[in-house]
Amino acid sequence: AQTVTQSQPEMSVQEAETVTLSCTYDTSESDYYLFWYKQPPSRQMILVIRQEAYKQQNATENRFSVNFQKAAKSFSLKISDSQLGDAAMYFCAYRSPGGTGTASKLTFGTGTRLQVTL
Amino acid sequence: DTAVSQTPKYLVTQMGNDKSIKCEQNLGHDTMYWYKQDSKKFLKIMFSYNNKELIINETVPNRFSPKSPDKAHLNLHINSLELGDSAVYFCASRQKFGGYHGYTFGSGTRLTVV
Repeated sequence: AQTVTQSQPEMSVQEAETVTLSCTYDTSESDYYLFWYKQPPSRQMILVIRQEAYKQQNATENRFSVNFQKAAKSFSLKISDSQLGDAAMYFCAYRSPGGTGTASKLTFGTGTRLQVTL
Repeated sequence: DTAVSQTPKYLVTQMGNDKSIKCEQNLGHDTMYWYKQDSKKFLKIMFSYNNKELIINETVPNRFSPKSPDKAHLNLHINSLELGDSAVYFCASRQKFGGYHGYTFGSGTRLTVV
């Protein structure tokens, strides 16, 4: 079974600075999807960024980018120019490629709480 | 306009009671899910339905019973509630084929068992 590990329970960053959240995963599959979700105090789960394993290019969405190291099974999230609104729980998630049956579920890491200070 | 809506948003009930949480999506998605987020914020899949067919049934007590009357609805019924059932329950939906295979989550139902 796939597992996702987030080794940083909490992180703190100053406004306008850059922070990197770590995620590693364990899988025997060669193709899969990886996601970062943000959960602010409102509880809503918000997709931040996604990466297809077959793509070598790292995904980027505005101030958010990933460092995807397939051989190392690492998928870190970099937040540039941090803003107060970035304060939230961040979850790394894995999904198998098939997209059907049990393969369609998301497996989450334990989350990293990000604080943004002035 | 809400894409995935859950009701109620908050539920406080006594041990031993039976309760239901409802979920509806207006996205035309094929697959719906229930996830449980515990007090430590860990999210874990419980069930999934694809077009009214149960496709994922994780190790969940049989006091939990999902029901999908049609592909736009997935309800969760819980019998004989226990203190350990207190959690936030998220409904989500996803388009099975094509596109970006993205998930859309509801805003969660915070269940408190006293």
